[in-house]
Amino acid sequence: GAGVSQSPSNKVTEKGKDVELRCDPISGHTALYWYRQSLGQGLEFLIYFQGNSAPDKSGLPSDRFSAERTGGSVSTLTIQRTQQEDSAVYLCASSPQEGGTYEQYFGPGTRLTVT
Amino acid sequence: GNSVTQMEGPVTLSEEAFLTINCTYTATGYPSLFWYVQYPGEGLQLLLKATKADDKGSNKGFEATYRKETTSFHLEKGSVQVSDSAVYFCACRGGADGLTFGKGTHLIIQP
Repeated sequence: GAGVSQSPSNKVTEKGKDVELRCDPISGHTALYWYRQSLGQGLEFLIYFQGNSAPDKSGLPSDRFSAERTGGSVSTLTIQRTQQEDSAVYLCASSPQEGGTYEQYFGPGTRLTVT
Repeated sequence: GNSVTQMEGPVTLSEEAFLTINCTYTATGYPSLFWYVQYPGEGLQLLLKATKADDKGSNKGFEATYRKETTSFHLEKGSVQVSDSAVYFCACRGGADGLTFGKGTHLIIQP
């Protein structure tokens, strides 16, 4: 079946612009996760959703970052006033349910470059 | 919070050599432990997992045993192939939130 999809696959933006990154989880997966992969920081967990609710937003790097999920499916990660340090690959993952034992299935990522 | 430490490499081996990639973790309670692999040009995929102490995860000839007493989850394979060349990530997860990853180990297998 279809895996996790993300769009766009690549995004180049100018410093100061806003960007929206989209994630389509595997159908029926109730839990959704966002990560960031960068050379300096490795893989960082940003935020997760159980249904449409994000219980803990403390992993977001700054208040320029926000995320939402609608209809228990698609999620968008928005970065306002982008900075060069936001350049990274943003990964989305989904899981059948929340909970430590469930596998997370990762999408191919969105490579964001801020010039 | 949780943390994971693993050797970063690159680790370069000849084909058919024995592989060990060390991974240790710090977490409260009883986290689940995972190894993810990222092949060149591809996304992250789960290689194996273990959810309680003394469990052994295995897949594609790779194995790792959840050692609570040493807080370790070392990845092993008896005979590596060129196709195993990839970046390997150790990860732990204590509850409903996200995975905590190690920095990743770049493995290069030479024919």
